[in-house]
Amino acid sequence: QQQVKQSPQSLIVQKGGISIINCAYENTAFDYFPWYQQFPGKGPALLIAIRPDVSEKKEGRFTISFNKSAKQFSLHIMDSQPGDSATYFCAASPFGNEKLTFGTGTRLTIIP
Amino acid sequence: DTEVTQTPKHLVMGMTNKKSLKCEQHMGHRAMYWYKQKAKKPPELMFVYSYEKLSINESVPSRFSPECPNSSLLNLHLHALQPEDSALYLCASSQDLFMTDTQYFGPGTRLTVL
Repeated sequence: QQQVKQSPQSLIVQKGGISIINCAYENTAFDYFPWYQQFPGKGPALLIAIRPDVSEKKEGRFTISFNKSAKQFSLHIMDSQPGDSATYFCAASPFGNEKLTFGTGTRLTIIP
Repeated sequence: DTEVTQTPKHLVMGMTNKKSLKCEQHMGHRAMYWYKQKAKKPPELMFVYSYEKLSINESVPSRFSPECPNSSLLNLHLHALQPEDSALYLCASSQDLFMTDTQYFGPGTRLTVL
């Protein structure tokens, strides 16, 4: 019940296209859903995060869509650029608890 | 400033060595974390400190020994490690363990055990 399932494992998108990464969870106590971006040899960096009281959050080219009833959330990267090539992790944590459960990661490659 | 710093960047050690990893943050965060990350895997939680006290130990072998000397510093002491302990060790911090909020990660220490 603590798992967060992430798909796809890897994704290749053409420059200018839309990258979509999906995550699903079972634990209804999860209350905070961040996405992290990680470049090789670096630590994960927070990209964008959402709480279940909203269905969508947008920051620049990055959008999280959240479906509470389906227990799913997804990251959309619009106008994908080669600099977006990285590994993306979704995560979730319960209310009042900072312990993050990470998805398995998606390796995104943007080709020219 | 949302920076978590870690030293050293790289560390190579033998199985009989004793070494330490260091993590520092100046954001006033009261929760600090150690994670271990293997290649192509998500970070795995090892330890959590809350207000300088060990709050969570995820059944980590005793050859890893954490220490929180003050609210800004977190150390991880290493002794008698195994080659399978080679990984990227990440430190993170957040405002408070019991507030659902962002964890900020450092760049990590790449550890190789020979």
